[in-house]
Amino acid sequence: DVKVTQSSRYLVKRTGEKVFLECVQDMDHENMFWYRQDPGLGLRLIYFSYDVKMKEKGDIPEGYSVSREKKERFSLILESASTNQTSMYLCASSGLTVAGANVLTFGAGSRLTVL
Amino acid sequence: SQQGEEDPQALSIQEGENATMNCSYKTSINNLQWYRQNSGRGLVHLILIRSNEREKHSGRLRVTLDTSKKSSSLLITASRAADTASYFCATFNDYKLSFGAGTTVTVRA
Repeated sequence: DVKVTQSSRYLVKRTGEKVFLECVQDMDHENMFWYRQDPGLGLRLIYFSYDVKMKEKGDIPEGYSVSREKKERFSLILESASTNQTSMYLCASSGLTVAGANVLTFGAGSRLTVL
Repeated sequence: SQQGEEDPQALSIQEGENATMNCSYKTSINNLQWYRQNSGRGLVHLILIRSNEREKHSGRLRVTLDTSKKSSSLLITASRAADTASYFCATFNDYKLSFGAGTTVTVRA
């Protein structure tokens, strides 16, 4: 089974801190994604990557950056955390797109609270 | 941008009943997927229907797709307590999946 592991389930940080959210997948997937989930808003795509060292902005990239130095690892970075970044963060991965299919496997999520 | 929108937002049914939820989307798609999320956890893929398909089944799940109306429905038959979860539709377009806000389903014993 594909496994996507997010390093922290719960984090509490202070405004202005730099925050790293780590995600590792063990199935040699090319594509990796970071979403944030907020009540009533569903999942919104922050960044995604389709190859090592490649990254693409999603729908809400402001205030975030990402790093993909190795195929299996995709990190989300909050350079200076703010209270409006309090949210559930979900990492996902998928293999090569085949005939337009791109099924995601998700991690368990990281719930970040910024005080 | 939120591509899909589920309806209703919440649904409460008795065990054994069927649950139906709908998804509407805005732009053309390659495929549409449904995911389930148990409380506080990540999403799990349930079923995928391609844009040239009209109906698909998987166990107790039935999905329909009407591209002319830009809508899809998910039917869960003979619901169980374990079906209590949030259900999301996701549309695949332009190399990424866009999710709706979800339907929360509660199955009462």
